[in-house]
Amino acid sequence: DSGVTQTPKHLITATGQRVTLRCSPRSGDLSVYWYQQSLDQGLQFLIQYYNGEERAKGNILERFSAQQFPDLHSELNLSSLELGDSALYFCASSVAARDRNSPLHFGNGTRLTVT
Amino acid sequence: AQSVAQPEDQVNVAEGNPLTVKCTYSVSGNPYLFWYVQYPNRGLQFLLKYITGDNLVKGSYGFEAEFNKSQTSFHLKKPSALVSDSALYFCAVRDTGGGNKLTFGTGTQLKVEL
Repeated sequence: DSGVTQTPKHLITATGQRVTLRCSPRSGDLSVYWYQQSLDQGLQFLIQYYNGEERAKGNILERFSAQQFPDLHSELNLSSLELGDSALYFCASSVAARDRNSPLHFGNGTRLTVT
Repeated sequence: AQSVAQPEDQVNVAEGNPLTVKCTYSVSGNPYLFWYVQYPNRGLQFLLKYITGDNLVKGSYGFEAEFNKSQTSFHLKKPSALVSDSALYFCAVRDTGGGNKLTFGTGTQLKVEL
């Protein structure tokens, strides 16, 4: 068990809808990362937060947004959903924002299916 | 920008035989390299990392990786494969910019057969 908790495990919704994915990092970790895993795109970095502040942005669509709250949990909001948004969404955490030695610890993901 | 490449989509090996999963990297500056494993319906699990020092890095579950600067490679190895090693393996490189993210390769499916 990595200590990173993601809810829900599965989400099925229709096109055009909006969903929120939640992540609780490992105890003591201040940095949270969101990744999207799909068959055609592989593992894509979306966004990173450190102690409530956005630290880095990847290939995140404008329809997607995220935030990290004072208790360090994070939420990824996906809106105007399209069929192509169906994927596995992972959250990962690490202790610091720039500690290159520390690995990322991943949750088990939220599987989103858009119908 | 830094990147890693995993040239093999799938590797098949017999149980008890040595296994190698290949990874090459492209970075500016010193590379920070990682290997992760993903089992079905699970998140990625950290196996090992190379930061600096010895070119042979030992990790979890008997895995090791060999860093080769001249060939810009970081191949994952195990002397004797187990059926339970069958999984998806990812090589990753750490960002050298302002953030700390990992950029992953496309993954290699390892299948260990009896």
